[in-house]
Amino acid sequence: AQSVAQPEDQVNVAEGNPLTVKCTYSVSGNPYLFWYVQYPNRGLQFLLKYITGDNLVKGSYGFEAEFNKSQTSFHLKKPSALVSDSALYFCAVRPFNTDKLIFGTGTRLQVFP
Amino acid sequence: GAVVSQHPSWVICKSGTSVKIECRSLDFQATTMFWYRQFPKQSLMLMATSNEGSKATYEQGVEKDKFLINHASLTLSTLTVTSAHPEDSSFYICSATTADLAGYYNEQFFGPGTRLTVL
Repeated sequence: AQSVAQPEDQVNVAEGNPLTVKCTYSVSGNPYLFWYVQYPNRGLQFLLKYITGDNLVKGSYGFEAEFNKSQTSFHLKKPSALVSDSALYFCAVRPFNTDKLIFGTGTRLQVFP
Repeated sequence: GAVVSQHPSWVICKSGTSVKIECRSLDFQATTMFWYRQFPKQSLMLMATSNEGSKATYEQGVEKDKFLINHASLTLSTLTVTSAHPEDSSFYICSATTADLAGYYNEQFFGPGTRLTVL
C-alpha cells in the first residue's frame, strides 16, 4: 500500500536553531512530493514541491527540502527557526499519473523563544 | 494567485438538518476539486474527487448519499452533508487543482476550511 510516514508527532526547537521535519514515503514509481503547513483552524498552505531535477528544493518562508531517492525521504529543513514557524506540517505524495495526494499524519513544530 | 475560498468558515446546525459548504477557485479554473475531512489532531482524509460536469468519485468508506458533491462549474464545487449528526462534526477542507495541456496536474491549492458542529 502507498503511504507517507512522518515519524515525529512533535518537533521542538529553539528559535535561531536549525530545524528538520522528517518524511518518508512508500510509493511505486516516481512520485511528486509536497510539504504543506497548517495554522490553527486554517486550510493548508503550500510550502514547496519536488517534481524532478535538483534534489534540494527551496520553498516559501526560507524552508527547503531534500529529496533522497535511495532512502525514499523528503525531509523539510530550515537553517534558522522562527517562533512564527510554529504550526502543523504535512508531507504529501502524489503518485505519478494521478491527481490524488496521500498525506502523512502531520508533525507539530514548536519553536521556543 | 491560486486562491481557493470556502463558505461558510464555520457552521452550527441541529441534528437531522442538511448543511451546504461551497468551495470556489477565485482566480483560476479548477479541473478537479477535492474534499477532505480532518479530525482533531489528525491528518486529512480524502473524501471524494470532483470533476466539473461529472459525478464525484468517492473514497472507500465514504457514504455518497450522506455527502453529496456537486461540481457545477470550473470554479465552484459544493459539499452537502445531508441529515447531519453529531458524528459528522469535523473540519472540512476543499482543494482545487488544474491540469496543464500535457495532462500533468499542478499542486493542489487548499481552501481555509469549514468547521461543522452538529448539535
